[in-house]
Amino acid sequence: AQSVTQPDIHITVSEGASLELRCNYSYGATPYLFWYVQSPGQGLQLLLKYFSGDTLVQGIKGFEAEFKRSQSSFNLRKPSVHWSDAAEYFCAVGASMDTGRRALTFGSGTRLQVQP
Amino acid sequence: DGGITQSPKYLFRKEGQNVTLSCEQNLNHDAMYWYRQDPGQGLRLIYYSQIVNDFQKGDIAEGYSVSREKKESFPLTVTSAQKNPTAFYLCASSPGTGNSPLHFGNGTRLTVT
Repeated sequence: AQSVTQPDIHITVSEGASLELRCNYSYGATPYLFWYVQSPGQGLQLLLKYFSGDTLVQGIKGFEAEFKRSQSSFNLRKPSVHWSDAAEYFCAVGASMDTGRRALTFGSGTRLQVQP
Repeated sequence: DGGITQSPKYLFRKEGQNVTLSCEQNLNHDAMYWYRQDPGQGLRLIYYSQIVNDFQKGDIAEGYSVSREKKESFPLTVTSAQKNPTAFYLCASSPGTGNSPLHFGNGTRLTVT
C-alpha cells in the first residue's frame, strides 16, 4: 500500500529565509504527488502537483517541488518565506492501481511557523 | 462561485447520539470524499464515492456511514459505534477519482462529550 512520510512535524524559519519541507513516499509505480496547504480551521488548498515529465514543478504562491525517484522524495521549497506562509503543509500520493484505492493518501503534515 | 459547502462549522453532541455532517458541492464533480483530521495524524480517509449510489470504505470506516443519493451531496453519519468521534472532518470532491486534485470544504469540527 502507498504511504507518505513527512519527517518534520514542526519547522520554524525567519521571514525572508529559504524553506524546504521534506516528503518521502512509498509507491509501487510512478506516483502522482501533491502538496496542499491548510490555514487554521480551514480546508486544504492545492499548491502544486506532479504527474509526469519535468521533475521540477512550479506551484502557486512561489512554491516549487522536485520529484526525485531515486530518493522517493518530493520536497517542497520556497526561496524566501513570507509571514503569510505560516500554515500546515501536507504531502499526498495518488491512487494505487495495484490496490484499487481510488483516493489520495496524505502525510501527517508539517506545521510551519515564520518568525519576524 | 462553485465550491464545497460543509455545515455546520461547529457541532456538539452527547455521547451515544448519531450525528450527520453535511457536504454539498456545485462543481459537478463525480467523486466525493470524507477525511478525518486529528492533530499529528494528518488526514485519514473515511469513505469515498466515485459515482451516485456507490461508495467505498477508506482506512477508518468503522463507526461511520455515508450515502450518495445525489451527485452534489455526500452526507457522513457518525454513529454511536465510533469510539473517538471528536475530530475535524473534511469533505472533498474531484472531477474523477484517483489522481485528480481534490477540492476541499472548510470542514466541520465535531465535539462529542
